[in-house]
Amino acid sequence: DAGITQSPRHKVTETGTPVTLRCHQTENHRYMYWYRQDPGHGLRLIHYSYGVKDTDKGEVSDGYSVSRSKTEDFLLTLESATSSQTSVYFCAISAPGLAGRYEQYFGPGTRLTVT
Amino acid sequence: KQEVTQIPAALSVPEGENLVLNCSFTDSAIYNLQWFRQDPGKGLTSLLLIQSSQREQTSGRLNASLDKSSGRSTLYIAASQPGDSATYLCAVSVGDMRFGAGTRLTVKP
Repeated sequence: DAGITQSPRHKVTETGTPVTLRCHQTENHRYMYWYRQDPGHGLRLIHYSYGVKDTDKGEVSDGYSVSRSKTEDFLLTLESATSSQTSVYFCAISAPGLAGRYEQYFGPGTRLTVT
Repeated sequence: KQEVTQIPAALSVPEGENLVLNCSFTDSAIYNLQWFRQDPGKGLTSLLLIQSSQREQTSGRLNASLDKSSGRSTLYIAASQPGDSATYLCAVSVGDMRFGAGTRLTVKP
């Protein structure tokens, strides 16, 4: 798992409430990513970070914000959760693989249900 | 916009069969293509990465090929085992990564 943890692993929340998901890595990799996975859509990129305080939008960024104040932590915030944000959220980092080429490595995921 | 498609969505085979999973993409301007395995309720595990300049990569019983000109990649699994049962996803790197929806593989004992 390349030293990636996500918290919480499961969360149920109500529509309109703010939610923050945390991704933590232990190896000081520069690039970190947040994806959501929905049936029939595969994984879609929400936001990514290329360093402390350096972030950019992905394919499905509306309704989400991110922050990275430390190399090891990348936070994903839903300012006002909606039912369409019910999904499984994955964090990933980019790191050298066995052949020395950069690959993405994923955390275990957070299952979020918005009621 | 890059679109990645995986067909079939689900596949069931008896143990011992050799099988091929397919991935197609619409834009050949990719940096690399990566195959992942995902077990139920788990994250993704990287299986193979093929750079855009490469034609194939092999790891054990797995062989992945890449044909950029036709926008296709295949993942070949030799002598399938029940432990190979999982969802297999392909993703292309175009700066960020674009994923297919996956093929759910079941290998029956």
